[in-house]
Amino acid sequence: DQQVKQNSPSLSVQEGRISILNCDYTNSMFDYFLWYKKYPAEGPTFLISISSIKDKNEDGRFTVFLNKSAKHLSLHIVPSQPGDSAVYFCAALSNFGNEKLTFGTGTRLTIIP
Amino acid sequence: EPEVTQTPSHQVTQMGQEVILRCVPISNHLYFYWYRQILGQKVEFLVSFYNNEISEKSEIFDDQFSVERPDGSNFTLKIRSTKLEDSAMYFCASSADRTTNEKLFFGSGTQLSVL
Repeated sequence: DQQVKQNSPSLSVQEGRISILNCDYTNSMFDYFLWYKKYPAEGPTFLISISSIKDKNEDGRFTVFLNKSAKHLSLHIVPSQPGDSAVYFCAALSNFGNEKLTFGTGTRLTIIP
Repeated sequence: EPEVTQTPSHQVTQMGQEVILRCVPISNHLYFYWYRQILGQKVEFLVSFYNNEISEKSEIFDDQFSVERPDGSNFTLKIRSTKLEDSAMYFCASSADRTTNEKLFFGSGTQLSVL
């Protein structure tokens, strides 16, 4: 039951270029989406979020885009820096059961200096 | 910055044994969670805990699992009789506010290996 899917297990991007991480979801009850970043031997840390009433949210180098009709969201990082190398998880929440985050399988981003 | 602390970082156990994973949430937080990640798979919700009781649990959280807040600082996950498929990284998380999910803080996890 993969309600949140990240189809790219890994991505390599040159330093300074744009990194685009994608996420698809199937549950139309999801109305809040988050991106978490995880370094080895650490827990996930919150990066950026977006409510379903918006189609874009920006925070510094990070922008999340939401396309509700396509049930798709993406995280853009520009410019990419070596410290951005990590595993990125997309997660979703429905207001109905808002105790529980549903995560994707993650995308390992490697920034090449 | 305050952080969620989990011990041990690694736990190896024999199948059928009981394990207790320990967590110290951030001190002023009221909502506590356990998630797990089996190698190569997604992070999965196990249980949420508020006001000394379970508020939600997943289908994974069966009778073999229990949670407890034995004192004002610790939050534990017990697996009564471990199975091979319980091998995973277990993450504890806490938040001050149920509705502010970006304020969910995760610990660095306990890697449980069941042999």
